[in-house]
Amino acid sequence: EDKVVQSPLSLVVHEGDTVTLNCSYEVTNFRSLLWYKQEKKAPTFLFMLTSSGIEKKSGRLSSILDKKELFSILNITATQTGDSAVYLCAVEAVGNQFYFGTGTSLTVIP
Amino acid sequence: KAGVTQTPRYLIKTRGQQVTLSCSPISGHRSVSWYQQTPGQGLQFLFEYFSETQRNKGNFPGRFSGRQFSNSRSEMNVSTLELGDSALYLCASSLERTITYEQYFGPGTRLTVT
Repeated sequence: EDKVVQSPLSLVVHEGDTVTLNCSYEVTNFRSLLWYKQEKKAPTFLFMLTSSGIEKKSGRLSSILDKKELFSILNITATQTGDSAVYLCAVEAVGNQFYFGTGTSLTVIP
Repeated sequence: KAGVTQTPRYLIKTRGQQVTLSCSPISGHRSVSWYQQTPGQGLQFLFEYFSETQRNKGNFPGRFSGRQFSNSRSEMNVSTLELGDSALYLCASSLERTITYEQYFGPGTRLTVT
């Protein structure tokens, strides 16, 4: 059965800390892995990863994919309270089928 | 450019009824996908429409159906509602697939089944 597992389920850190969120997957016909940030509204797109070992970076956020070990990490450095959200990992399979993890809830305390 | 819009935003129905949700994609987007989000199951893919054709379908019973119109607007229908159908239903639109794939989500329709 295809699945995406995220860890930890929740995380509480202080402003300025660095966090690493994990996403592992077992999906046949893998096409890409996507990260989303979801606050109280709908998810917003962060990164799409298709190739192993190539880091995608946007400001304080970065992500990398390991297709051999079937996982991805999302790093957030110098966290801010505005980073508090649920971070969703999704894997797209060939045929435009998507599988989402249940998300990691991040809370950043001032 | 206006974002993805969904109507209604909130809905309360009773078991056994049916419901139709609507999604208007961003202008120019031809792909519309539907998702169900629940606390226990997370975000689950329902189906995707492109140019009025269902291109892909998730693992949901036949009570869940959808369609897309020529203007790319999409509707999702759930018949014979069950308590477990209570969820946030999200619609997302995107351009035709490219390497830099992005989906833009609507605000969702919160469905409560009593």
